[in-house]
Amino acid sequence: DAKTTQPPSMDCAEGRAANLPCNHSTISGNEYVYWYRQIHSQGPQYIIHGLKNNETNEMASLIITEDRKSSTLILPHATLRDTAVYYCIVRPRNSGGSNYKLTFGKGTLLTVNP
Amino acid sequence: NAGVTQTPKFQVLKTGQSMTLQCAQDMNHNSMYWYRQDPGMGLRLIYYSASEGTTDKGEVPNGYNVSRLNKREFSLRLESAAPSQTSVYFCASSKQGTQGTEAFFGQGTRLTVV
Repeated sequence: DAKTTQPPSMDCAEGRAANLPCNHSTISGNEYVYWYRQIHSQGPQYIIHGLKNNETNEMASLIITEDRKSSTLILPHATLRDTAVYYCIVRPRNSGGSNYKLTFGKGTLLTVNP
Repeated sequence: NAGVTQTPKFQVLKTGQSMTLQCAQDMNHNSMYWYRQDPGMGLRLIYYSASEGTTDKGEVPNGYNVSRLNKREFSLRLESAAPSQTSVYFCASSKQGTQGTEAFFGQGTRLTVV
């Protein structure tokens, strides 16, 4: 699986957009970019995923560069409850057999300040 | 809709004792996973089961065994607990397929080995 690189921590003011970067320069054509977050002491929560097009859902937007070597997760109006560790994960498109395991790094601790 | 349920939520063991962590999902998912998370670390995969009847080692399988009892249940067993196994254990499940799909996590089992 491709390796990802994320900053260890970021701060954001409440109500502002939070932009979390992720580098995945070794990503291959059949690999998705996934984002999960983990609020303190809870299980990880799925946020969004994409292959090559930008994606948006009720939680966030995912912007993937044209060369697919990096992506940005955008929380449009961060709240205090968005304070969490955010994980960027790359995994193969074909999720059969052993391809489905998720490999978590240390992620980015996003702190939303009042 | 319960999602992924883990039992127990908390457990204290003495060194050398054995125990089984239980996990059940009600989403008809094929794949299930066990992760551990140590303080300040990301999640590390212990074992996974891509489908009923199959199990495979993850990143840190030593000291653990698993059983995929049926499609719903995936248990993790510590035969002889050691202090190094003090951690938070998360179970997860997901669908299989060629499209990107999300994984759902339980709320964790906090295990202390003294």
